[in-house]
Amino acid sequence: AQRVTQPEKLLSVFKGAPVELKCNYSYSGSPELFWYVQYSRQRLQLLLRHISRESIKGFTADLNKGETSFHLKKPFAQEEDSAMYYCALSGSSRNQFYFGTGTSLTVIP
Amino acid sequence: DAMVIQNPRYQVTQFGKPVTLSCSQTLNHNVMYWYQQKSSQAPKLLFHYYDKDFNNEADTPDNFQSRRPNTSFCFLDIRSPGLGDAAMYLCATSSRAGQDEQYFGPGTRLTVT
Repeated sequence: AQRVTQPEKLLSVFKGAPVELKCNYSYSGSPELFWYVQYSRQRLQLLLRHISRESIKGFTADLNKGETSFHLKKPFAQEEDSAMYYCALSGSSRNQFYFGTGTSLTVIP
Repeated sequence: DAMVIQNPRYQVTQFGKPVTLSCSQTLNHNVMYWYQQKSSQAPKLLFHYYDKDFNNEADTPDNFQSRRPNTSFCFLDIRSPGLGDAAMYLCATSSRAGQDEQYFGPGTRLTVT
C-alpha cells in the first residue's frame, strides 16, 4: 500500500513566486511526518518535521489530518531552493518508515 | 565532523557474486538503517538495527543480510546479486528509531554486470 504520495515528479517555479510541494499520506494511527531535501551532489538531509512546527529556510508544512496531507510551502522561492524534496512518514511502530517518490523542484531565475 | 560514511561510493559486482557494502558513523547513534533506492523511486527501507536488535522489513528479500558488529559499523551483504539489485544503497542513523531525524550517508551505487 502506498503510504506517502507526492503527485508531482517535477515542479518549476520562478524566483520570488510561491511554491507548494504536495504530500498526501495513508496511515491509520498517528504518524510523524517529515520533509527531507537533497541538494545537488549532497546527501539527503532533514528539512523539517511536523512536531517541530518551525520554519526552516522559509519553508513551512502543516499536518492536515482531515485531508491526510503535509504540503510544503514557501511564499517566495529562491534559486538555492532547487533540489529534490521527499516527504516521509514514520508510523507508530518504530519499524515503520516510508518515503514518497520525491519532487524535483527547479527555481527559474 | 561527525558523520555517516559509506564505502565504497561505487561498487560493481558480477551477477551472483556476493558483495558487501559498508557504513560507519561517528554520531554514536543507537539506530542504523539501510535503504535501497532505484532510479526515480522512493528510498525503501530494507532493515534497521536498534542497538543490536535487528529489524527486518517484511518484504526485504532473503538475499539481503546485515551485520552490526559494534555501534559504529553496519554492513549490508547481498549474497547473490541479481540485475534487479542494481540501485543506490543508503545508510542512515538516528538517535532513536522512528521519530528522530535520520542522518544519511552519501550512498553506494551498486552496478551488477
